[in-house]
Amino acid sequence: AAGVIQSPRHLIKEKRETATLKCYPIPRHDTVYWYQQGPGQDPQFLISFYEKMQSDKGSIPDRFSAQQFSDYHSELNMSSLELGDSALYFCASHRRGASNEQFFGPGTRLTVL
Amino acid sequence: DQQVKQNSPSLSVQEGRISILNCDYTNSMFDYFLWYKKYPAEGPTFLISISSIKDKNEDGRFTVFLNKSAKHLSLHIVPSQPGDSAVYFCAASGSGGYQKVTFGTGTKLQVIP
Repeated sequence: AAGVIQSPRHLIKEKRETATLKCYPIPRHDTVYWYQQGPGQDPQFLISFYEKMQSDKGSIPDRFSAQQFSDYHSELNMSSLELGDSALYFCASHRRGASNEQFFGPGTRLTVL
Repeated sequence: DQQVKQNSPSLSVQEGRISILNCDYTNSMFDYFLWYKKYPAEGPTFLISISSIKDKNEDGRFTVFLNKSAKHLSLHIVPSQPGDSAVYFCAASGSGGYQKVTFGTGTKLQVIP
């Protein structure tokens, strides 16, 4: 079965650079969530989209922005990167009304040097 | 403010015995609870869930118990197998077709052969 796809899997950037993370949800899933997991921490919710509209916002810095496109894929844009942004970024997808389970992608490991 | 707590960061169990992972939550608006299993460098994998209208849900070797009055849930794995060794996250969400998931801090389970 198709799963959530995230690209790239690994990304190395320098301070003050920008990064774009991509997420391709499971086909027919209409909701995408972004989570950030720092070293030794639990995943923290950043932002979610339903039918291309932002549906909820968590602890996402103002330097970050995200959107969901017409094909339901989503991109997380991160600017003015800081060392503390180094983390695993997970995308999860979900089909509204089908169930409450979110299906997670393998994550993008971002390292900021 | 940690709304979902897993007080045991680690647990070691002999193969064939029962593993019991515990989770407490503080937000009474949560009414859907999930357990995710996570291996290093992979995304969380959905394991089992329970709605607040139930107090027990079983799926093979995995059973989740919910005590709403105590705001406590637990995951039982019987019998435990070495392949169960992973980090287990308790998670909670509110009702509705789309809700962000709030994760606990995780419990690292080691099943000893």
